[in-house]
Amino acid sequence: QKEVEQNSGPLSVPEGAIASLNCTYSDRGSQSFFWYRQYSGKSPELIMSIYSNGDKEDGRFTAQLNKASQYVSLLIRDSQPSDSATYLCAVRGARTGGFKTIFGAGTRLFVKA
Amino acid sequence: SAVISQKPSRDICQRGTSLTIQCQVDSQVTMMFWYRQQPGQSLTLIATANQGSEATYESGFVIDKFPISRPNLTFSTLTVSNMSPEDSSIYLCSVESSGGADEQFFGPGTRLTVL
Repeated sequence: QKEVEQNSGPLSVPEGAIASLNCTYSDRGSQSFFWYRQYSGKSPELIMSIYSNGDKEDGRFTAQLNKASQYVSLLIRDSQPSDSATYLCAVRGARTGGFKTIFGAGTRLFVKA
Repeated sequence: SAVISQKPSRDICQRGTSLTIQCQVDSQVTMMFWYRQQPGQSLTLIATANQGSEATYESGFVIDKFPISRPNLTFSTLTVSNMSPEDSSIYLCSVESSGGADEQFFGPGTRLTVL
């Protein structure tokens, strides 16, 4: 089992719709969770971090965390073509000594105009 | 967040040669990381570089192949030694936030092609 699992996609949504990106992780002791956006040919850009169960909203982005289910998600409201990118889920946990962040393989998102 | 620069941004090298990648940060950071990202793949951590101590390498990566220097809190280098075409990849420098959060930020990357 991979430590951080994401559906590779591509996930295709129409402009203006909600895009829902999901991630599961195996280390129950994980404490920090991140979503990165990576445009083709560019480096990853941190867009959300979440540490507690529940929802965290930032503009059009909402991160959701459920530690009991070992599940973290990212919702993008009013999706725009400029949101088309690969979204990486990253998890940092006690098992890794607190100094290593594990990245998922990423989900490719296409927003159709 | 810290501003991170890398040099070179890209290079094409011959097999058997070595390339040193530089990473410069505009503020002092404790933790610096080197990642590799092969086409269509996710990020693979090569090593963690702390100032004043030996780098800590991940499984599958060795110091002889990827020597790392960390002379101060704003700078690090990664050398890819005795390169082969399998080393063709994007190499990314990353730093951990110094504000107490464990967020990581990435440099722009170095695209390496080995012929």
